[in-house]
Amino acid sequence: IVMTQSPATLYVSPGERATLSCRASQSISSNLAWYQQKPGQAPRLLIFGASTRATGIPARFSGSGSGTEFTLSISSLQSEDFATYYCQQYNNWREVTFGGGTKVEF
Amino acid sequence: QVQLVQSGAEMKKPGSSVKISCKASGGTFNTFSLNWVRQAPGQGLEWMGGVITVFRGTSYSEKFQGRVSTTTDESTSTAYMELHSLRSDDTAVYFCVGGARNQYFDYWGQGTLVTVSS
Repeated sequence: IVMTQSPATLYVSPGERATLSCRASQSISSNLAWYQQKPGQAPRLLIFGASTRATGIPARFSGSGSGTEFTLSISSLQSEDFATYYCQQYNNWREVTFGGGTKVEF
Repeated sequence: QVQLVQSGAEMKKPGSSVKISCKASGGTFNTFSLNWVRQAPGQGLEWMGGVITVFRGTSYSEKFQGRVSTTTDESTSTAYMELHSLRSDDTAVYFCVGGARNQYFDYWGQGTLVTVSS
């Protein structure tokens, strides 16, 4: 399953809303996770099940979608949210795949 | 809360092999799965393979099939990933990652940089 993220780079100002897209090449139901990665750090799980926030993730992060189209929204961008975001499908446990990432920049 | 601590950076010659360890502290491998993900410099995340611990079933990405092997020593809560026939494009940071309840990854090791160069 190929995961395609868009855009590759998203330019947003602090306080604005950011909307990131992820598309699957075939239906993955709601078996989608989102991660945030900052330079020099390991990724951090944000969302699983397409819309469930992981423990400790602020409410400004929200996920939606099912089937092949998914969205990660950040309602009011904070300075610490500038990072690269990856989606990952786990519909097929034996062949997990990641999207190419969206870098959120100011 | 499971913490994954990986072995240190490695420098390898093309054609050789590398073996990376990943030790679970703060608990055993009481997770749904234990996988390996790599990230080449400036690139995205790439799943290599892993084990669904509840089923004791291992699977690998087709890209690495035949060149990667993973093992687990439950007595020491340590997992290992060995990659053979290294090439320069295997230069990357390798992460061990754990899924608590499914094949999404709650737990990440700190990463191990493997540099392949002659």
